[in-house]
Amino acid sequence: EVQLVESGGGLVQPGGSLRLSCAASGFTFSSYWMSWVRQAPGKGLEWVANIKQDGSEKYYVDSVKGRFTISRDNAKNSLYLQMNSLRAEDTAVYYCARADCSGGSCYSSYWGQGTLVTVSS
Amino acid sequence: EIVMTQSPATLSVSPGERATLSCRASQSVSSNLAWYQQKPGQAPRLLIYGASTRATGIPARFSGSGSGTEFTLTISSLQSEDFAVYYCQQYNNWPFPLTFGGGTKVEIK
Repeated sequence: EVQLVESGGGLVQPGGSLRLSCAASGFTFSSYWMSWVRQAPGKGLEWVANIKQDGSEKYYVDSVKGRFTISRDNAKNSLYLQMNSLRAEDTAVYYCARADCSGGSCYSSYWGQGTLVTVSS
Repeated sequence: EIVMTQSPATLSVSPGERATLSCRASQSVSSNLAWYQQKPGQAPRLLIYGASTRATGIPARFSGSGSGTEFTLTISSLQSEDFAVYYCQQYNNWPFPLTFGGGTKVEIK
């Protein structure tokens, strides 16, 4: 059974940093692109970042470029999101998701339960 | 960036009735369109990918259609567990940027 379990969320002051983790199991983690997607309270879904199987390619939504870094450790079956210079508008539930691909394009097939990040003074 | 627009924002439907949800892309996304269901306090769940292919374990009452810029999710006979928010997402620009629609809330009439 595919499982994705996020951790690391919490309350942080504006300008602060936080590192989210996602522990994967039930599939060959190193074979899949992975993503982070967030959802602000009461709002819709927003894609945040993607990372290739070997970590050689990383992509970000414009609003987090230069502040967030996606990474992975295939030996530990883990995905990470380092978030720096946090802003109030980064407050959201952050989901990690596995990307399944067809014809070179990929969709989020499995999602974790999410971890809440609150940026507030 | 491709903008995804869902309509209506809220759909009131009685159990057993058909629900039809729409999703429009600001430019062609071919068939690279997914639908997700989200219930309160839960993570999104993949329903449809490739515009019309049901994900594993998804009941046959869910069907997707369309290509290019116009897409539809149909729930043929609403069950109590289907009342939720539904999102479409284009992934034609993989690996970035991926964009979601604003969602359609399906509520009990």
